[in-house]
Amino acid sequence: GAGVSQSPSNKVTEKGKDVELRCDPISGHTALYWYRQSLGQGLEFLIYFQGNSAPDKSGLPSDRFSAERTGGSVSTLTIQRTQQEDSAVYLCASSSRAGTDYEKLFFGSGTQLSVL
Amino acid sequence: AQSVAQPEDQVNVAEGNPLTVKCTYSVSGNPYLFWYVQYPNRGLQFLLKYITGDNLVKGSYGFEAEFNKSQTSFHLKKPSALVSDSALYFCAVIMDTGRRALTFGSGTRLQVQP
Repeated sequence: GAGVSQSPSNKVTEKGKDVELRCDPISGHTALYWYRQSLGQGLEFLIYFQGNSAPDKSGLPSDRFSAERTGGSVSTLTIQRTQQEDSAVYLCASSSRAGTDYEKLFFGSGTQLSVL
Repeated sequence: AQSVAQPEDQVNVAEGNPLTVKCTYSVSGNPYLFWYVQYPNRGLQFLLKYITGDNLVKGSYGFEAEFNKSQTSFHLKKPSALVSDSALYFCAVIMDTGRRALTFGSGTRLQVQP
């Protein structure tokens, strides 16, 4: 595709439910990132995948959060037993780490998660 | 460790006047520095980056930024602001070694008045 695609664009869930957020990066991009943007806040790093290397999970706020990247492409961020403080926009980005686009992140439009 | 500070939550400037959005960083190695912009109801977009070389970096939409190693700053500038520049601006940093995910600042809202 032409850009990073995220689904769903909006997700409303009840406290305690599990949610899955999907990210489809730009074809050929080896690096994939998840960030979280809360209202009025900056971007909070969650997790980073690079090729076949072990992911950098240092930003995950609790063990309720997990992510996987299958086949070096699509990624799923899972939040178990959601809490109200999980409400935020979850952003996915990818990068090619090559050429003039080195270290340049391309962001998706995000998933707005609302936990009631 | 790496961190970014954007000391101003909001910057107001009149159309046609020069604008500056401030950013300072802290890394233990050599920094790679970035500016991203978020327009209302749109995703984050890359503006410019400093990796190495000339300290003055030019980017999209007439923006530029100057890397100042001694002051650990990377301020975003534009000689003449447009109303359409009104948006949320994020500075980001990554070390040249080690952790490979960008650390973003808290963002600065730029409001350009006609």
